[in-house]
Amino acid sequence: GAGVSQSPRYKVTKRGQDVALRCDPISGHVSLYWYRQALGQGPEFLTYFNYEAQQDKSGLPNDRFSAERPEGSISTLTIQRTEQRDSAMYRCASSPGQASYGYTFGSGTRLTVV
Amino acid sequence: AQRVTQPEKLLSVFKGAPVELKCNYSYSGSPELFWYVQYSRQRLQLLLRHISRESIKGFTADLNKGETSFHLKKPFAQEEDSAMYYCALGVLRGSTLGRLYFGRGTQLTVWP
Repeated sequence: GAGVSQSPRYKVTKRGQDVALRCDPISGHVSLYWYRQALGQGPEFLTYFNYEAQQDKSGLPNDRFSAERPEGSISTLTIQRTEQRDSAMYRCASSPGQASYGYTFGSGTRLTVV
Repeated sequence: AQRVTQPEKLLSVFKGAPVELKCNYSYSGSPELFWYVQYSRQRLQLLLRHISRESIKGFTADLNKGETSFHLKKPFAQEEDSAMYYCALGVLRGSTLGRLYFGRGTQLTVWP
């Protein structure tokens, strides 16, 4: 697609429910990244993929968080048994791979856990 | 450990005045540095890459390895420059870009 697309834009869920956030990267982009941003803070790294391989998941806060990119394109970030502290903006980005290009970000998904 | 520091959370200037947004980094390797901008209610957008040494919207940023800084500058600020600015440090994984470390951001307000 023309840009990085994230869905849904807004998600309100009850504590204890599972949520799945979707990211559709720019066509042909090798790398896909997930970040989380709390109010007043910079984006915080969660995980990233090159093609379908998860390269680094060191930023996932605990085992309730997981991500996949099975065909090297669309990715899903899943949060199980959501807690109020999971409320944040979740941002996805993609990159062609070459270091100098940086990332292109999507609009984000605002998750609110009530 | 890798770290990006943006010491000013808020910065206000008048239109036409020079502006400098400070960024310092901590990294033992060769850094890949970026500035991202977020205008009100819009997505994060790449503004500058240090490797390209470009000028975008009148902004420039020079990497100073001795001072480990990558300050963003513009000689004459415009009202439309009002936005949140994030400095980011990239870590290479082989030849590809791994994670970015972001600073906490500086909210720039340009008054008329």
